[in-house]
Order: sequence, then structure tokens, then C-alpha cells
Amino acid sequence: DAKTTQPPSMDCAEGRAANLPCNHSTISGNEYVYWYRQIHSQGPQYIIHGLKNNETNEMASLIITEDRKSSTLILPHATLRDTAVYYCIVISYRDDKIIFGKGTRLHILP
Amino acid sequence: SQTIHQWPATLVQPVGSPLSLECTVEGTSNPNLYWYRQAAGRGLQLLFYSVGIGQISSEVPQNLSASRPQDRQFILSSKKLLLSDSGFYLCAWSVDRNTEAFFGQGTRLTVV
Repeated sequence: DAKTTQPPSMDCAEGRAANLPCNHSTISGNEYVYWYRQIHSQGPQYIIHGLKNNETNEMASLIITEDRKSSTLILPHATLRDTAVYYCIVISYRDDKIIFGKGTRLHILP
Repeated sequence: SQTIHQWPATLVQPVGSPLSLECTVEGTSNPNLYWYRQAAGRGLQLLFYSVGIGQISSEVPQNLSASRPQDRQFILSSKKLLLSDSGFYLCAWSVDRNTEAFFGQGTRLTVV
């Protein structure tokens, strides 16, 4: 079973920041939070991951709450090409498998 | 650099026919390998994963099977396809459990 909960869909205006929430209330201390996205009919693409601290790369920022029970993926300036399903995943040192939830379908509105 | 190859890209098969989808990884050794399926309108479902040659873990009971005859080769098979086997099948690899996974381009299987 997926260990995360995400809203099924979200809208965001083009050029604005897209903030995608994820709840992982049962996360344990050795588990990382990963984000992937899947553009229609393509394989998922890795975006970012983190353990405790906030992370930023060229694609996005990841904000993890202090209690680590939730996180937010931020796409700072959304474009139409960011329309995709975004998956939040929790992975631990003990897991060999990666289990996806249903994700959030993000619609970028022109 | 590492690459993952998955073929064929599309496949139409009759009910009851066999299936063999192949996935190979280049540029790395002893990867973790995964097979996922995405049915229409649903999220990604993990079918099988493998941490080494001959080591296969099944996540969902079904009429599919997987094999890893070589370190960087992962094969998804079925002896007799069902209509419900239609979907988008994705192969993925990761260096280990703590790194990101990289996905192939997928195979769209339609069972008719």
C-alpha cells in the first residue's frame, strides 16, 4: 500500500507557483520523501527527494514540515509543459521496492 | 551514462496468447529492477522487483511472471493473456533502494 496521500487533482495558472501537498503521517525516521512526475504516455521522471531539510534543484523545491508528516513540492513558475501526474513516494533504507500512490493530476491553465 | 531500453513500444495481442516484454539496462551493474503496470485512469502498480539475478519478488498475484536471466535484463511474461492485462507497462531501475529510479519509455499492451 502507498504510504502517502495526495489530492487527486489541482489547477494552477501558467507563470504562477504550483504547490503540491503530500501527507505521509506514518513516515519513520529513515524514510525519504521522493517526488516523480509522469507526463501522459511517458515513463515517470524523477524530480527531487529529501529526508529532513528543504531541498531545491533546477526543477523544483521540496518543503518538508518539521515533524516530517507532510511535504510540499513547489514548481516556482509553472508552464504548460508541467501538466502531469505528480507522485509523492516514501522510501526507506529497508525497502527494495518503490510503491506509487495515485498521485495528483496537475493542470496548468493558460 | 546509464540507459534503459524497453521494447516493444506498442503491442496488440489476442486473448490467450503468450507475452514477453524485455527490458535491459546499460551502464551500471547489479541494479534493482522493477516492472510496473498502469491501467487506464489508474496509478502505477508495482508488479515485480528484483535485487539480483534470479531473485524476483511478486507484489500482485496474477497470470504474469518475471525473470532476470542476466544482471541487466528483466523479462515480463505471460503464458495466456487476459483482457484485463491491457495497460501501460513500465520497466525501471535504481542503483539501490535509496536512490531515484529511472524508467523506460513503456510498452502499451492491448489485449483483444
